[in-house]
Amino acid sequence: EAGVAQSPRYKIIEKRQSVAFWCNPISGHATLYWYQQILGQGPKLLIQFQNNGVVDDSQLPKDRFSAERLKGVDSTLKIQPAKLEDSAVYLCASSLGAGAQYFGPGTRLLVL
Amino acid sequence: ELKVEQNPLFLSMQEGKNYTIYCNYSTTSDRLYWYRQDPGKSLESLFVLLSNGAVKQEGRLMASLDTKARLSTLHITAAVHDLSATYFCAVPPAGGTSYGKLTFGQGTILTVHP
Repeated sequence: EAGVAQSPRYKIIEKRQSVAFWCNPISGHATLYWYQQILGQGPKLLIQFQNNGVVDDSQLPKDRFSAERLKGVDSTLKIQPAKLEDSAVYLCASSLGAGAQYFGPGTRLLVL
Repeated sequence: ELKVEQNPLFLSMQEGKNYTIYCNYSTTSDRLYWYRQDPGKSLESLFVLLSNGAVKQEGRLMASLDTKARLSTLHITAAVHDLSATYFCAVPPAGGTSYGKLTFGQGTILTVHP
């Protein structure tokens, strides 16, 4: 069974630029999550999708972050404009309901 | 606001020894997850504990959940070097569609040395 796929794996941008991350969940997993993991901390949930609908985005900084899952399968997370404090690993995960969440390899973002 | 605290944050163990990592959380929840993260890697699911009194074991790791005490433990038996990693517990709020809104602990960095 293929795992959660993410791209790119690494991204370096300058502040005020925009960036987008892509995620393809495990086949059949209706629930998809985006997390932000800052170095030395646990992941923080940014947004949760159930199929193509948003379940929770209470911790998503909506002035600069946006996410979509238009066809209920893969998803994109965008940051525009980026700030220095957005430097982190962005993890995508998927699950079957309330079971374990399976994480992708992550995208390491460095904002200069 | 749900808070999750792990103890200890750093653990240096000798091979062959036993130790326990503790995970406390601040508000009611009926389930808890344990994950492992190797340096520079993503998170790997270890255990899903779904009810009070749940106990799960995999190899040298055993996890338990006491929802009344809001406490989970991850017990390491006869540690080996391969267990060196960061261990996270994660807790969702109780009920409804919030099952995915995991709050993670700070992580426990485990180093096993000869």
